[in-house]
Amino acid sequence: DARVTQTPRHKVTEMGQEVTMRCQPILGHNTVFWYRQTMMQGLELLAYFRNRAPLDDSGMPKDRFSAEMPDATLATLKIQPSEPRDSAVYFCASGLRAGGVTGELFFGEGSRLTVL
Amino acid sequence: SQKIEQNSEALNIQEGKTATLTCNYTNYSPAYLQWYRQDPGRGPVFLLLIRENEKEKRKERLKVTFDTTLKQSLFHITASQPADSATYLCAPGGPGFQKLVFGTGTRLLVSP
Repeated sequence: DARVTQTPRHKVTEMGQEVTMRCQPILGHNTVFWYRQTMMQGLELLAYFRNRAPLDDSGMPKDRFSAEMPDATLATLKIQPSEPRDSAVYFCASGLRAGGVTGELFFGEGSRLTVL
Repeated sequence: SQKIEQNSEALNIQEGKTATLTCNYTNYSPAYLQWYRQDPGRGPVFLLLIRENEKEKRKERLKVTFDTTLKQSLFHITASQPADSATYLCAPGGPGFQKLVFGTGTRLLVSP
């Protein structure tokens, strides 16, 4: 049963520490999204990759966040340094884009980050 | 700027009734729209995709409409059940904008 795998599921860290979240998209999917979800803001798009190339990271605070896809089986989201306001659930999702349509997105279970 | 609006207040209905959720968008011309369901502590799960030329789409007890003139999509659950209680999210998409941006979601509560 194909699924998107995210690690860690939970992370508690102190302000100023580096946090790295990892995502294994579904094999064969050509699009990967990183979202952040909070009660106040809902599901916010942070970054978007197609065929491993970053296409849009306008939703991401550039000074502290970075997103990469070193290979087709791994996407990473890094926060350095972390701040309490980064506390949220971070979701990775993968899907297939073809013919101008981004089809069904498959979401991971999320990484719940708490920055103290 | 582009905006996607869903009712922020929870929708409370009784079991067996039809639930209708609304997704309005502005400054968009989407070619399709997706609906997802999210349960607490879980990632969103895809339900339906409707294209601009489809007007209406059904899947079991779910029905989605797409009115490009009103810039609105309606999501209906007929014969609702307590198990339908969840947050429902819409996301318009199209060739002109590749990223999939979600509305804030509407929480549905179905009481027995």
